[in-house]
Amino acid sequence: GESVGLHLPTLSVQEGDNSIINCAYSNSASDYFIWYKQESGKGPQFIIDIRSNMDKRQGQRVTVLLNKTVKHLSLQIAATQPGDSAVYFCAEKSGQGAQKLVFGQGTRLTINP
Amino acid sequence: DAGVIQSPRHEVTEMGQEVTLRCKPISGHNSLFWYRQTMMRGLELLIYFNNNVPIDDSGMPEDRFSAKMPNASFSTLKIQPSEPRDSAVYFCASSTVKSSPLHFGNGTRLTVT
Repeated sequence: GESVGLHLPTLSVQEGDNSIINCAYSNSASDYFIWYKQESGKGPQFIIDIRSNMDKRQGQRVTVLLNKTVKHLSLQIAATQPGDSAVYFCAEKSGQGAQKLVFGQGTRLTINP
Repeated sequence: DAGVIQSPRHEVTEMGQEVTLRCKPISGHNSLFWYRQTMMRGLELLIYFNNNVPIDDSGMPEDRFSAKMPNASFSTLKIQPSEPRDSAVYFCASSTVKSSPLHFGNGTRLTVT
C-alpha cells in the first residue's frame, strides 16, 4: 500500500506579526540546543543556540527560550517577513564531549502577505 | 567563505547500482557528519568522523552503506547495491570538534528506481 509521510506541524502567521515555534525535547541530560531553518532545496541553516545553563537567549529578531523543567524549547521570531517561511527544526545534544545532534520533526512556518 | 560542498546535487540511479556521494567540509573543521532526510523519518545521523576517524556509525542502516574520509577535506558515502528505499536527501555537515553548531551542505537528492 501507499506509505504515509511524516505530517509536519504547521504554523501560519501574517507578515509583520510575531511567531512562536515550540519543541519538546526528549533527553533530560541534553545540555545544548540549536534551532535550524530549512528552506526548500537547501540544507538546514543555523539560527540560534542555547546552553542548558541559560533560559533565554536573543539574536536578531529571534529569541530562544528553554524550560528544562518541562523539557520545552521555543523559538520566537519577531516581525515576521516572507523570507521567514521555511521548516524550523530544534536539535539537542547530550553530554560533555558528545557530538551527536538529534533533530526534532520540524515545524513548517508560512508567512502570509 | 565556501560552505560545505556536496556533489552531485541530484542522483538518479537504478536499483542495484552503486552510488557515491561526495562532501567537502569547511576548511578548518575537523568533524564531519552524514545525515539522511526522509519524510518518514526526518533527519537521521548516519555516521560522523573526528579528525578523519569514524567515531559513531550506529546510524548506518546496513552493510550496503559505507563511508570514508581519506583526508581532512573530503568524504564519501557509498551505497552498494542501492535500493528504492534508499531514496532520500543526504546531507553532509561539518564543525570543529569542540564547537557547535553543525554547518550543513545543500544535500544530494538520491532517487533509486
